[in-house]
Amino acid sequence: GQNIDQPTEMTATEGAIVQINCTYQTSGFNGLFWYQQHAGEAPTFLSYNVLDGLEEKGRFSSFLSRSKGYSYLLLKELQMKDSASYLCAVRDDLSGGSYIPTFGRGTSLIVHP
Amino acid sequence: EAGVAQSPRYKIIEKRQSVAFWCNPISGHATLYWYQQILGQGPKLLIQFQNNGVVDDSQLPKDRFSAERLKGVDSTLKIQPAKLEDSAVYLCASSISGTGIYNEQFFGPGTRLTVL
Repeated sequence: GQNIDQPTEMTATEGAIVQINCTYQTSGFNGLFWYQQHAGEAPTFLSYNVLDGLEEKGRFSSFLSRSKGYSYLLLKELQMKDSASYLCAVRDDLSGGSYIPTFGRGTSLIVHP
Repeated sequence: EAGVAQSPRYKIIEKRQSVAFWCNPISGHATLYWYQQILGQGPKLLIQFQNNGVVDDSQLPKDRFSAERLKGVDSTLKIQPAKLEDSAVYLCASSISGTGIYNEQFFGPGTRLTVL
């Protein structure tokens, strides 16, 4: 089984930088995903980490430390449209090579002017 | 490239009634997922298919929920009978494979179910 923890809500100012943390406990870690979900819409993929370190993609970066069971999503130059829920999802490796994803509760980010 | 299609988009039923949801994944995607997302929570995996076989259904309430993917393409999720606590958005997602080292999931728009 897995236990994924992320803050429920965060607020930030337009143009600023915000870091959303995610901690997890899993028996067969095989990758961590971040998804963005606007209210009333489906989640969309942001990033994937399987090795330790930082992955950068435009304004968004994601970091992973497998030994600490920790990841963060970094959003730079915040825009109003970044107001959304950010979901951390961890993939478990079942026997036989099948991978089962588990999502956290999500962090609701509110960006204000 | 067409995305994941789901229908209906909205459904309102009374408790103890039955309901079915349909999902058509992205062409060529072997892995299909059904999630339940209750308001304010993250998606909870109900069942995962690899082609037409079940990979995991450990969180599917099998006394009332069933799902099938007979030809390894489309899938249906059924609830019979529905309870009030089944009110949620049911999301379908697909990925190229569930066994590779990287499988980004593409989500459909979801079906919002209200049980009265």
